Amino acid sequence: QKEVEQDPGPLSVPEGAIVSLNCTYSNSAFQYFMWYRQYSRKGPELLMYTYSSGNKEDGRFTAQVDKSSKYISLFIRDSQPSDSATYLCAMTYLQGGSEKLVFGKGTKLTVNP
Amino acid sequence: DVKVTQSSRYLVKRTGEKVFLECVQDMDHENMFWYRQDPGLGLRLIYFSYDVKMKEKGDIPEGYSVSREKKERFSLILESASTNQTSMYLCASSVTGAKNIQYFGAGTRLSVL
Repeated sequence: QKEVEQDPGPLSVPEGAIVSLNCTYSNSAFQYFMWYRQYSRKGPELLMYTYSSGNKEDGRFTAQVDKSSKYISLFIRDSQPSDSATYLCAMTYLQGGSEKLVFGKGTKLTVNP
Repeated sequence: DVKVTQSSRYLVKRTGEKVFLECVQDMDHENMFWYRQDPGLGLRLIYFSYDVKMKEKGDIPEGYSVSREKKERFSLILESASTNQTSMYLCASSVTGAKNIQYFGAGTRLSVL
């Protein structure tokens, strides 16, 4: 079983705070690491993805992967009320020649004005 | 932009009814997926399809079936709806060989009474 562990929260922060969202995994077969954002009553949408260990930045968002510790993070700088959503980590692995995707259960974030 | 359209946002059905959930994608993606999402349980894969007329069971296929007669359309069928199938249903699609990045529809909230 290729499992992904994610703290469900909920997480509540004031506007402008730095937010850290995290996932851990146990299987080194995972290759690509993604973060999805899901607003209330909507489907998940891809926020960022990364392959190698290290950081990837996109505006106020930074995705970090530490393959040696099997740990990934999403940092949100200068958080805004519009960032309030559930954030799901996801990871892919190869099985039978096709890519499989495993999701964490999601962390619900509320950014208070 | 990729668009995945689910035919209904909200659906109320009675126990024992046959229920059809329809999903259409407009980006010529080979792969299509059906998930259900429940509080505390996250996203769980029901069925997926890598090609027309092809289907594979996901993690929780019991009580469901699917149909993919055309590349752009993937239907989820509840042969005899039960109350434990009350849930949010999400359809997704992806391109083969693209890290299995999945694009989701807005979801169908199904209530079975």
